[in-house]
Amino acid sequence: AQKVTQAQTEISVVEKEDVTLDCVYETRDTTYYLFWYKQPPSGELVFLIRRNSFDEQNEISGRYSWNFQKSTSSFNFTITASQVVDSAVYFCALRPVDSNYQLIWGAGTKLIIKP
Amino acid sequence: EPEVTQTPSHQVTQMGQEVILRCVPISNHLYFYWYRQILGQKVEFLVSFYNNEISEKSEIFDDQFSVERPDGSNFTLKIRSTKLEDSAMYFCASTRKPNTEAFFGQGTRLTVV
Repeated sequence: AQKVTQAQTEISVVEKEDVTLDCVYETRDTTYYLFWYKQPPSGELVFLIRRNSFDEQNEISGRYSWNFQKSTSSFNFTITASQVVDSAVYFCALRPVDSNYQLIWGAGTKLIIKP
Repeated sequence: EPEVTQTPSHQVTQMGQEVILRCVPISNHLYFYWYRQILGQKVEFLVSFYNNEISEKSEIFDDQFSVERPDGSNFTLKIRSTKLEDSAMYFCASTRKPNTEAFFGQGTRLTVV
């Protein structure tokens, strides 16, 4: 089965705290792609990162970092020094290799950053 | 910066009516998609489209749904006879290649009454 689990439904932190959003996936494929998208209150889906299954290097982009652990089938997302503008729903998604087309989405984690 | 555009942003329709949701993908992209998100729920794949035909579709995409690329720029989703449960945000997306990142439009909020 192909599945993405984001166990944290909602996280609330105070501004400047670090926060990690968890993503665990299931796939039989050895080749696949993982994505994170942000959905701010305005509703659009904003691409954050794509990672293929052969690249286990962690990635950092400004205050954002991603930890890909194939051994635990996890692709966690950390925001350092969070800001109010980071408040959004964050989705993790999987594209299996047998489907070049569709993304399989997690349920999303709603992140609330309080001033 | 190129972007996917969707119109209208919000559409209200009566149950049983036909609706057409419109999308203009990024101009050099070849793969097009429709997803939907029922309020507060996860995003669900509907259909993908490449080379003027459907590449893949989900169980949600039944005979009530159809897609079309009527000209070189538009990509439309038609729902023939809307039901209350079709109320959702519909997202269009496009990619340059199959496994590259999908860029999404702002979405069309469809409300069936």
